[in-house]
Amino acid sequence: QVQLQESGPGLVKPSETLSLTCTVSGASVNDYYWSWIRQPPGKGLEWIAYVSFNGGTNYNPSLKSRVSISIHTSTNQFSLKLSSVTTADTAVYYCARGHQGLATYWGQGTLVTVSS
Amino acid sequence: EIVLTQSPGTLSLSPGERATLSCRASQSVSSNFLAWHQQKPGQAPRLLIYDASRRATGIPDRFSGSGSGTDFTLTISRLEPEDFAMYYCQQYGSSPFFGQGTRLEIK
Repeated sequence: QVQLQESGPGLVKPSETLSLTCTVSGASVNDYYWSWIRQPPGKGLEWIAYVSFNGGTNYNPSLKSRVSISIHTSTNQFSLKLSSVTTADTAVYYCARGHQGLATYWGQGTLVTVSS
Repeated sequence: EIVLTQSPGTLSLSPGERATLSCRASQSVSSNFLAWHQQKPGQAPRLLIYDASRRATGIPDRFSGSGSGTDFTLTISRLEPEDFAMYYCQQYGSSPFFGQGTRLEIK
């Protein structure tokens, strides 16, 4: 049974870089596609990016200039970096497994607050 | 970018009733790459339907999806108490996008 667990700082200062890691168990990151999706408090879902098993990437055009996603096969993890954050980036961040942009299995999510 | 608009914003029904949720795309969704996700308060979303009409693993058959092109529908044939939640449609073509959601609440 695949399980995904997000980890990283729960508080990030404005203008700094948000860094999150998703640890995958029950599956290999050498298979499928791996996504990050976020949800501001009380709002809807926003797709951020996905990375494929061979390292190919696709980014939300509205975030592309600030986002980087990468896969780490040696540790069976993948990660997200979002630079120059503002309070608008405060959200629950989910990692997910799927096919291209389709999320079939979701992690439980982690709240990241941007505040000084 | 294909934008998705869901309607209604809120749907109030009673257990046992039929629910019909709509998702309209700003342009045709290629290959019917349209999914529906359910989210309960404090939980991660869960995939219900993909490819417009295929049920995900373990999803009860009271959930069904239909549609093509720009108009898609999620139908719940007989509402169970655990079905009251938020529902999001998602297109997963070249630039994935989620609709704003429909809240299904108990009348």
